[in-house]
Amino acid sequence: AQTVTQSQPEMSVQEAETVTLSCTYDTSESDYYLFWYKQPPSRQMILVIRQEAYKQQNATENRFSVNFQKAAKSFSLKISDSQLGDAAMYFCAYRSAYSGTASKLTFGTGTRLQVTL
Amino acid sequence: NAGVTQTPKFQVLKTGQSMTLQCAQDMNHEYMSWYRQDPGMGLRLIHYSVGAGITDQGEVPNGYNVSRSTTEDFPLRLLSAAPSQTSVYFCASSKQGIGEKLFFGSGTQLSVL
Repeated sequence: AQTVTQSQPEMSVQEAETVTLSCTYDTSESDYYLFWYKQPPSRQMILVIRQEAYKQQNATENRFSVNFQKAAKSFSLKISDSQLGDAAMYFCAYRSAYSGTASKLTFGTGTRLQVTL
Repeated sequence: NAGVTQTPKFQVLKTGQSMTLQCAQDMNHEYMSWYRQDPGMGLRLIHYSVGAGITDQGEVPNGYNVSRSTTEDFPLRLLSAAPSQTSVYFCASSKQGIGEKLFFGSGTQLSVL
């Protein structure tokens, strides 16, 4: 079974600075998808970014980018120019590319990001 | 656009009581799922549905029941509540698959005394 590990329970960053959240995963599969979800204090989770394992290029969404290292099974999230609204719990998640539309997500335990002035 | 709507937002139950957590989506998504979130454990899949009339078990299905009579609604039933079911419950939906680009509701915080 696949596992997703987020080793940083909490992180802190100053406004306008850059922060990197770590995520590692364990899988024997060669094709899969990786995600970062954000859970703000409102509790409603939203998708931040998605990476396809067979794509070498790292995904980017505005101030959010990933560093995907397939051989190392590492998938970190970089937040540039941090804003107060970035304060949230961030979850890393994995799903297999097999089993089609019934392929389920495996979540990490989350990293709580605090943004300070 | 309402998205995924969960009710109630908070609920307190006594051990042994039953209740239904409601989930409705207005995006015509085929795929819906229920997760529970516990401190230090991330989100775990309880049950899911790939379309009206089709449901299946996730990682932690015991003590929960689901049905999917319409595309829009996917209620989660607690048959006989136990303190171990104290958690935050999230409903999610997707157009593309159970694990793909999920839209989440705002959760139900459930306490079982």
